[in-house]
Amino acid sequence: DSGVTQTPKHLITATGQRVTLRCSPRSGDLSVYWYQQSLDQGLQFLIHYYNGEERAKGNILERFSAQQFPDLHSELNLSSLELGDSALYFCASSPWDSANSPLHFGNGTRLTVT
Amino acid sequence: AQSVAQPEDQVNVAEGNPLTVKCTYSVSGNPYLFWYVQYPNRGLQFLLKYITGDNLVKGSYGFEAEFNKSQTSFHLKKPSALVSDSALYFCAVRALTTSGTYKYIFGTGTRLKVLA
Repeated sequence: DSGVTQTPKHLITATGQRVTLRCSPRSGDLSVYWYQQSLDQGLQFLIHYYNGEERAKGNILERFSAQQFPDLHSELNLSSLELGDSALYFCASSPWDSANSPLHFGNGTRLTVT
Repeated sequence: AQSVAQPEDQVNVAEGNPLTVKCTYSVSGNPYLFWYVQYPNRGLQFLLKYITGDNLVKGSYGFEAEFNKSQTSFHLKKPSALVSDSALYFCAVRALTTSGTYKYIFGTGTRLKVLA
């Protein structure tokens, strides 16, 4: 058990809808990273928060947004969903923002857009 | 450009034989390198890392990796493969972002299949 909790495990929704994915990092970790994993594109970095502040953005669409709350949990909001947004979304946490310590991954949220 | 390459989509090896999963990288500055394993319907699990020191790094489940600076490689190895090692393996490297922070770049993954 990595100590990172993601909810829900599965999400099925229709195109055009909006969903929120939630992540609770490992106790004591201040950094939260979001990744998207699809069959044809591997693991894509979306966004990184450290202690409530956005630190880096990757290939995150404008329809997607995220935030990290004072209790350090994070939410990834996906709106105007398209079929191509169907993927596994992973949250990972680490103690710092210097990327020199291993990431601890949750088990992901599988999003299916129909 | 900073990047990580895993040149093999899949590696097949017989149980009991040694295995190697290849990874090469391109980053500015000193490389911080990681290997992760992913089992079906699970998140990635950390195996080992190289930051500095001995070029041969030992990690979980009997895995090790060899850092080679001149070849910019960080290949994952295991002397004797088990069927239970069959999984998806990811190499990752620390990279500097344009805003001066750091991020992890992951390779595309290599599927290891150990045959009984």
